Amino acid sequence: GQNIDQPTEMTATEGAIVQINCTYQTSGFNGLFWYQQHAGEAPTFLSYNVLDGLEEKGRFSSFLSRSKGYSYLLLKELQMKDSASYLCAASDSNYQLIWGAGTKLIIKP
Amino acid sequence: NAGVTQTPKFRILKIGQSMTLQCTQDMNHNYMYWYRQDPGMGLKLIYYSVGAGITDKGEVPNGYNVSRSTTEDFPLRLELAAPSQTSVYFCASSPREATYNEQFFGPGTRLTVL
Repeated sequence: GQNIDQPTEMTATEGAIVQINCTYQTSGFNGLFWYQQHAGEAPTFLSYNVLDGLEEKGRFSSFLSRSKGYSYLLLKELQMKDSASYLCAASDSNYQLIWGAGTKLIIKP
Repeated sequence: NAGVTQTPKFRILKIGQSMTLQCTQDMNHNYMYWYRQDPGMGLKLIYYSVGAGITDKGEVPNGYNVSRSTTEDFPLRLELAAPSQTSVYFCASSPREATYNEQFFGPGTRLTVL
């Protein structure tokens, strides 16, 4: 079956670095997305990876390993506003998005 | 641009009632989607549309219907509401196929069926 796994919750300290992992099993693969969702709000797009490697966007970076079915989102210089859920979603061979349940990130001062 | 707007923001329905969730986008996007998000679960695709007059079922279409008469509007109809339809509903749009492009989400409708 198709599946996305990511940790349910993580805690980190303001100013630190945190890595949120995502593993996926899909029938075929056409890329991996990361979205941010603040409590009670809509998801907003962070990144899309289709090739192996690291893509950096300011404080946020996303990494993909297609052979391992693995991705991570790296957040640097954490700020209190980064407290949110981070959703991982993989695109399968039928161009359907399979979504993970999200990782709730709690930032402590 | 308002982006993607949804109404209502909140609604309580009784079992067996019907309602329409409204979704409008002003970005001239061809692709539109309806998702539901249950606590502790990933987003589930209900229906999607690749353009005016064209709709197709997603992963969880039972109990719902959609129409797409214009590029801007993509309403979701719930017939004979059931407690299992209690959820947060998000409408989204994208300029191209969302499985390799960014989607823009509306603020959501929080629906409770009692």
